[in-house]
Amino acid sequence: AQTVTQSQPEMSVQEAETVTLSCTYDTSESDYYLFWYKQPPSRQMILVIRQEAYKQQNATENRFSVNFQKAAKSFSLKISDSQLGDAAMYFCAYISFQGAQKLVFGQGTRLTINP
Amino acid sequence: DTGVSQDPRHKITKRGQNVTFRCDPISEHNRLYWYRQTLGQGPEFLTYFQNEAQLEKSRLLSDRFSAERPKGSFSTLEIQRTEQGDSAMYLCASSFGPAGSNTEAFFGQGTRLTVV
Repeated sequence: AQTVTQSQPEMSVQEAETVTLSCTYDTSESDYYLFWYKQPPSRQMILVIRQEAYKQQNATENRFSVNFQKAAKSFSLKISDSQLGDAAMYFCAYISFQGAQKLVFGQGTRLTINP
Repeated sequence: DTGVSQDPRHKITKRGQNVTFRCDPISEHNRLYWYRQTLGQGPEFLTYFQNEAQLEKSRLLSDRFSAERPKGSFSTLEIQRTEQGDSAMYLCASSFGPAGSNTEAFFGQGTRLTVV
């Protein structure tokens, strides 16, 4: 079974600074997707960024980018120029390319932005 | 269509009572998922529908839990004889894609269940 581990329960960063959230996963599959989801307090989970495992190039979405290391099974999220609105729980998630149709989530990292 | 909607947003029930939650997915989405999230944890998969067919159920889903998706549109999740351990946020998500592919899932705001 696949597992996702986020080893940082909490992180904080000064506004406008850069922060990196860590995620590792375990799988025997070669084709899969990885996601970072953001869950603001009392609001629904939204997709931040997505990475296909077959792509070597790291995904980027504006201030958000990932460092995908397939051999190391590592998938970290970098947030540049942090903004107050970035404060939320961040979840790393895995899904098979084919087969099990379910997202497997990590435990989450609570990100605080200090003004 | 403003996204995935769930009803109710909050439910407080006494232990032993039955509860039912509803999820309305994004209209063109053929896939629907239910997840459970306890405080400070990531969501855990419960079950998955492709159109009206329930294709996968987690071992977390005891016999007291049942989910339906009649006509492949909205879905309901029923919990019978609720226990305090059922207290959690129940999340619904939907996505669109052919069988064998995986695409972005859109989440609702969840139903928070408190069993007293």
